[in-house]
Order: sequence, then C-alpha cells, then structure tokens
Amino acid sequence: QKEVEQDPGPLSVPEGAIVSLNCTYSNSAFQYFMWYRQYSRKGPELLMYTYSSGNKEDGRFTAQVDKSSKYISLFIRDSQPSDSATYLCAMFAGNMLTFGGGTRLMVKP
Amino acid sequence: GAVVSQHPSWVICKSGTSVKIECRSLDFQATTMFWYRQFPKQSLMLMATSNEGSKATYEQGVEKDKFLINHASLTLSTLTVTSAHPEDSSFYICLGRAGNEQFFGPGTRLTVL
Repeated sequence: QKEVEQDPGPLSVPEGAIVSLNCTYSNSAFQYFMWYRQYSRKGPELLMYTYSSGNKEDGRFTAQVDKSSKYISLFIRDSQPSDSATYLCAMFAGNMLTFGGGTRLMVKP
Repeated sequence: GAVVSQHPSWVICKSGTSVKIECRSLDFQATTMFWYRQFPKQSLMLMATSNEGSKATYEQGVEKDKFLINHASLTLSTLTVTSAHPEDSSFYICLGRAGNEQFFGPGTRLTVL
C-alpha cells in the first residue's frame, strides 16, 4: 500500500462545476498538507498549504484536512477551463515529503 | 510565494556527455533541497534529498555516482547527470525547503540523443 493514495483520473467536469479532489494517507506522522497544480510540461505550483484539521479557503479553492480519517480534499468552486491540470497532494513530517500520484482534471467549456 | 529558479529549462545533449542543472532559491534560504524526476504522464519520483553542506541522501535505485548532487550553499543546489543516456531523458525538478514551506523550481527538460 502506498503511503499516499490519489485517484489518477482523468476527472472531466463541465465549466462551472464544483470539483472535489481527494487523497488518503496511511502515515499518522504527516503534519503538513499541500496541494499543487501542475500544467503540462511545467513544474508544480503550490496552491494551498494547511497544518491542522479543518478547512482553509483561498478564493475558489478550499482545502480540507481530516486527520482522524487520514483524508484530505481540495474543492474548486466555479471551475474554469484554465483549471485543467494535474493536481498533486503532498504531505510531510520531519524531513519526509511524500506526494500523491496526481489527479488529472479536465474542465470543459 | 518564494521563487526557485532552474537553469537550463531545456537541454538536449548527446549520449555520453554530462549535464549540470542548477537550482537557485532566489528570495529564501533552502536548508533542504529535493530533486525529483518525472517521466511523461507519470508522478514525481524523488531521487535524492540534500541538506546544505552535507552529502545527499539518495533513494533506492538512484545511482549516486551517476546523479551528482551538490548543495554547497543555502541558495544553490546542482544536479549533474554524468554520462547521460537516452533513458535519462526526463523532466527534472528541484524543490527547495525552508522550515515548513517548500517551493518547486520550474523544471528542466533533458533530452539525451
């Protein structure tokens, strides 16, 4: 079993839809949780960064962490074609940084 | 957010030559630098972790004599692919970390002919 599991997709949604991206993890030592967006042929860019359980909102993006269930989510409201990319969850504890495999999202106009 | 630059962004080289990739943290001091490799349509694969002034720690299956990592300062880390072969063609990305924050470089696309 991988330490971080993420559905690879692709996930295809119509423009304006609410998107839910998820990751589960097995290592309870993970303390910090991040979501990255990666466009094709580009390096990942940090979208959201959370530490504690609960929700964190930034514009159209909401990151949710449930440490008791070892489950994190990224919600995208009013999705746009420009949101089409691969979304990677990542988490770390100490010097151990682990990424999910990424979910490919396609938002169709 | 903080900025990490990578140079070159794209390099094509002949088989057998060595290629050096630079990663610079422009406005923060990266105490730890991670080097990743990403093949097309695949996830990031950690190659090695380096702390400033220390030898890099390589992941299983990554040849340390082939992928030389130097992290001589808090703002510069280099990855040298020695005697590159076509199977080394990939997208190489550095990730600089300071405290609880980390930032990716834009990546370097290496093509070995």
